[in-house]
Amino acid sequence: EVQLVQSGAEVKKPGESLRISCKGSGYSFTSYWISWVRQMPGKGLEWMGRIDPSDSYTNYSPSFQGHVTISADKSISTAYLQWSSLKASDTAMYYCARGVVTLAADYWGQGTLVTVSS
Amino acid sequence: QSALTQPASVSGSPGQSITISCTGTSSDVGGYNYVSWYQQHPGKAPKLMIYEVSNRPSGVSNRFSGSKSGNTASLTISGLQAEDEADYYCSSYTSSTPYVFGTGTKVTVL
Repeated sequence: EVQLVQSGAEVKKPGESLRISCKGSGYSFTSYWISWVRQMPGKGLEWMGRIDPSDSYTNYSPSFQGHVTISADKSISTAYLQWSSLKASDTAMYYCARGVVTLAADYWGQGTLVTVSS
Repeated sequence: QSALTQPASVSGSPGQSITISCTGTSSDVGGYNYVSWYQQHPGKAPKLMIYEVSNRPSGVSNRFSGSKSGNTASLTISGLQAEDEADYYCSSYTSSTPYVFGTGTKVTVL
């Protein structure tokens, strides 16, 4: 069974750093891309970027380029999304998802809620 | 890359059919047969319902069907059921980003 299990909810202050994770199982982790998708409270889905875990090649949406970093450790089948300096506007649910070149997501993680508040 | 355009809401009675549109450009929906649709119930992760315009993943009801004409893709739900009440999002491969999602449509079963 394909599973993507994400790390738990986080509460942070503005300016703090954060890394959330997404562990894949039940499939060959290096055979599929991992995308990250943001959903702000009450809003729609926004594709942030993706990584090919086989070689750590990344693509980012222009809206998120430079604001987040996507990485992966294929030895433990885990992808990461990180911020160096959080803002209140980063408050959202973040989903990881497995995909292929032409499909953003066929399986999704359960989501990680990130709350940034002073 | 701008979000694909969907109606904010669509409603129907149980047993009826409804159609949700998803309008893009020749750089995304119109340029590739790589449109997908996702269902999201409140507080849950999205679920893939249709990929490559009209293909259903294993386990998805055949009441869900997809099509495309020009720059507009459509999702049709036939025999509407209470459990179909959810938010629906389209997505397309694009020539740039490489993916973009739609604005989302809330489906209400009356």
